[in-house]
Amino acid sequence: TQLLEQSPQFLSIQEGENLTVYCNSSSVFSSLQWYRQEPGEGPVLLVTVVTGGEVKKLKRLTFQFGDARKDSSLHITAAQPGDTGLYLCAGGSISGSARQLTFGSGTQLTVLP
Amino acid sequence: DADVTQTPRNRITKTGKRIMLECSQTKGHDRMYWYRQDPGLGLRLIYYSFDVKDINKGEISDGYSVSRQAQAKFSLSLESAIPNQTALYFCATGLAGVPDTQYFGPGTRLTVL
Repeated sequence: TQLLEQSPQFLSIQEGENLTVYCNSSSVFSSLQWYRQEPGEGPVLLVTVVTGGEVKKLKRLTFQFGDARKDSSLHITAAQPGDTGLYLCAGGSISGSARQLTFGSGTQLTVLP
Repeated sequence: DADVTQTPRNRITKTGKRIMLECSQTKGHDRMYWYRQDPGLGLRLIYYSFDVKDINKGEISDGYSVSRQAQAKFSLSLESAIPNQTALYFCATGLAGVPDTQYFGPGTRLTVL
């Protein structure tokens, strides 16, 4: 069973601060995705990274896939209250027709005004 | 209108009752998934279907069954609900390809008393 561990589990910061959340595994994934989930809603895809070492930027969010495709990080610059939510990473299975996502347990981010 | 809809949004039931959660999508996607979300455990896959005649068990299928009535409809049944099935349930759709991208419905909050 492939497992993804996210850290920290909870993070509360002030508006304007920077933060990084991590997603780690002992397994190799063919892709790594980050989702954000708000209360009462389903997860919404933020980004997909597929190449080891890949870095993608989405406005103030920077996503990185580890060289060995076992880990990923999400960095938010100058956090805003609208960034508050549950951030989930998900790893795509590496082989076969049964393409599935394995989800991490999530990082609950609260950005205080 | 939402692309992926789930009914009901909230349900309270008693131990031993049979219940059905329904999912409909207008995205035209072939793949559909059912997940449950529990605090601290992330999203876990219950069942998935890659087309109308295809049903596959996920990580935690015991106590659940599914039916893919049409490309656009995928229902989840709990034959005899038990309290530890209290959770948030999400339906998702996806397109084949590398990597998989999944689109989630708004979720159903199920409470089994």
